[in-house]
Amino acid sequence: AQTVTQSQPEMSVQEAETVTLSCTYDTSESDYYLFWYKQPPSRQMILVIRQEAYKQQNATENRFSVNFQKAAKSFSLKISDSQLGDAAMYFCAYRGPNYGGSQGNLIFGKGTKLSVKP
Amino acid sequence: DTAVSQTPKYLVTQMGNDKSIKCEQNLGHDTMYWYKQDSKKFLKIMFSYNNKELIINETVPNRFSPKSPDKAHLNLHINSLELGDSAVYFCASSPRDRGLRNTEAFFGQGTRLTVV
Repeated sequence: AQTVTQSQPEMSVQEAETVTLSCTYDTSESDYYLFWYKQPPSRQMILVIRQEAYKQQNATENRFSVNFQKAAKSFSLKISDSQLGDAAMYFCAYRGPNYGGSQGNLIFGKGTKLSVKP
Repeated sequence: DTAVSQTPKYLVTQMGNDKSIKCEQNLGHDTMYWYKQDSKKFLKIMFSYNNKELIINETVPNRFSPKSPDKAHLNLHINSLELGDSAVYFCASSPRDRGLRNTEAFFGQGTRLTVV
């Protein structure tokens, strides 16, 4: 079964600095998606960035970028120029192909709580 | 113009009651889901519907039943509520890519259910 592991329950960063959140996953599939979601105190789940496994180029969305290491099954999120509004829970998620027992389930890690200090 | 909307946002009810949470998406997606987020913030899939057909049913008590009157709606009905059902419930939907794979999930704002 596929699993997603976020080894940092909590992280802290100074405003305007850079922080990296870690995520590893386990799968036997070669074709899948990886995502980072942000959940602020409002509890809304917001998609931050997505990566397709067959694409070698790391995805980037403004201040957010990923370091996707397929062989190592690692998918870290880098937040540059951190802002107070970045404070939230961040979830790494994996989605496999639409077949098999998982039927393309979106599987989440346990999350990393990011605090941003002014 | 909300993409995925669920109601109510908050629900407080007594043990033993039956309640429903409604979900609607106007994105034209084929697949809709219900997720449960527990007190430790862990998100777990409960149900998935594709074109009104249930395709995933994880180890969820049969007191929980999804109901989909059409492709744009997936409601969650819960019978005989228990204290342990207290959680945040999220509805979501997903588009498909050119290879017909489900991609990212778009989430509703969540319903915080408190059973007393």
